Amino acid sequence: GQQVMQIPQYQHVQEGEDFTTYCNSSTTLSNIQWYKQRPGGHPVFLIQLVKSGEVKKQKRLTFQFGEAKKNSSLHITATQTTDVGTYFCATTYSGAGSYQLTFGKGTKLSVIP
Amino acid sequence: NAGVTQTPKFRVLKTGQSMTLLCAQDMNHEYMYWYRQDPGMGLRLIHYSVGEGTTAKGEVPDGYNVSRLKKQNFLLGLESAAPSQTSVYFCASSASWGAMGEQYFGPGTRLTVT
Repeated sequence: GQQVMQIPQYQHVQEGEDFTTYCNSSTTLSNIQWYKQRPGGHPVFLIQLVKSGEVKKQKRLTFQFGEAKKNSSLHITATQTTDVGTYFCATTYSGAGSYQLTFGKGTKLSVIP
Repeated sequence: NAGVTQTPKFRVLKTGQSMTLLCAQDMNHEYMYWYRQDPGMGLRLIHYSVGEGTTAKGEVPDGYNVSRLKKQNFLLGLESAAPSQTSVYFCASSASWGAMGEQYFGPGTRLTVT
C-alpha cells in the first residue's frame, strides 16, 4: 500500500508561534486529506487537496499540495491552545481492485500558554 | 443527526473472550470502515464495507470479523480476544469511496484485553 510519512512526530510551540507539519511520499499521490484529533477525541476531517500546487486556507490554517503531488503541508499561523491535538494526513491507494484510505502516523502538537 | 455512534465506549476483556462492537450512522452513507489506533501507529484499516451486505479486508484484518446486515450498522467482532488487540477502535462512514469523500468518525471504543 501507499505510504505517507509525517514529520515531525511531535512539536511543542509557545502560544502565538507558527507550526508546520509535513506529509511526504516517494510516489505521486492522487489526493491528500487532513484530519485533526483532539486529545481523547476522534479524527475530524479538515480538508482535501487534489490538484498539483493547490493551496487552501481555513482561517489560520494553510494547506498546500506540492507541485509534484508527492508532498503536502499544513501550516498554522499564531497557534492557540485550541490547536492542540494530533494532525494526520491521509491518501487513497488502490490495491486488489479496491481503494483504501491510508493515514500517516500524525504530528502531535502541544501549545504552551 | 447523531452522526456516527459506537457502543460500548469502554470494555475490558480477558484473553479468549469474545465481543462485538457496534457502529451506527444516520447519514445514509454507503461506505463504512473500522480502524484501530495504537500509540505512534496512526490509524490502520481493519475491514470496510462498500454497501449493505458487503465487507472486505483492510490492512490488519486478522483476528476480526465484520458484518453489514443493515446499511446503517457495521459490526466488528472479536472471536477470541488477545492482548495484542488492546487498542482504540474507531468506526467511520463516508458518502463517497476512498479519499474522494471525507470520512466521519465515531467517538471510539477503548478496548483492553488482559
